[in-house]
Amino acid sequence: ETGVTQTPRHLVMGMTNKKSLKCEQHLGHNAMYWYKQSAKKPLELMFVYNFKEQTENNSVPSRFSPECPNSSHLFLHLHTLQPEDSALYLCASSQDGQQNNQPQHFGDGTRLSIL
Amino acid sequence: EDKVVQSPLSLVVHEGDTVTLNCSYEVTNFRSLLWYKQEKKAPTFLFMLTSSGIEKKSGRLSSILDKKELFSILNITATQTGDSAVYLCAVEALRNQFYFGTGTSLTVIP
Repeated sequence: ETGVTQTPRHLVMGMTNKKSLKCEQHLGHNAMYWYKQSAKKPLELMFVYNFKEQTENNSVPSRFSPECPNSSHLFLHLHTLQPEDSALYLCASSQDGQQNNQPQHFGDGTRLSIL
Repeated sequence: EDKVVQSPLSLVVHEGDTVTLNCSYEVTNFRSLLWYKQEKKAPTFLFMLTSSGIEKKSGRLSSILDKKELFSILNITATQTGDSAVYLCAVEALRNQFYFGTGTSLTVIP
């Protein structure tokens, strides 16, 4: 139990579907992150939220839309995805995203497959 | 372009062996280097290194950073089958940026 919970664990969707990934952290952290992990590639940082405000968006296609209603919850809304978007999507949190030198705590991820 | 390179990509050893995993980086505005262990689920935090030459230890694992040569090593002594995992190296830079390597896949054979 890492204190970061992601749902669903697995998701299969068609390219025209709309779905959402959910992340919840029980660690009292103020920063939350979305990563994409593809086979044989480094983890790619997608979005960063600090105190509910988005601070980073690393050139992610608009078919991925994040939402952070509070410091404990983070969503990733998906629509009209492409087959190359199939990957493991990891959520992470840290105490305060503006202060460096703090480790991130990761969830178990959502395994996403696009048909 | 900022990047983190890990080597080897994969490693197979026998129980009891000692292994050394390497991580080199080229990252602007370096703040810290982190090591994670990823089994089938969430990456779990191992070490955070910010200063050169200071070894961090946790049981059979240890790590050290060289900020002049821009690399870090992760040592595991007396390996056990439970050490089998992918070991990830990440560098934190300014503005909440984290750069990860592709990882080293370690398999420990009984």
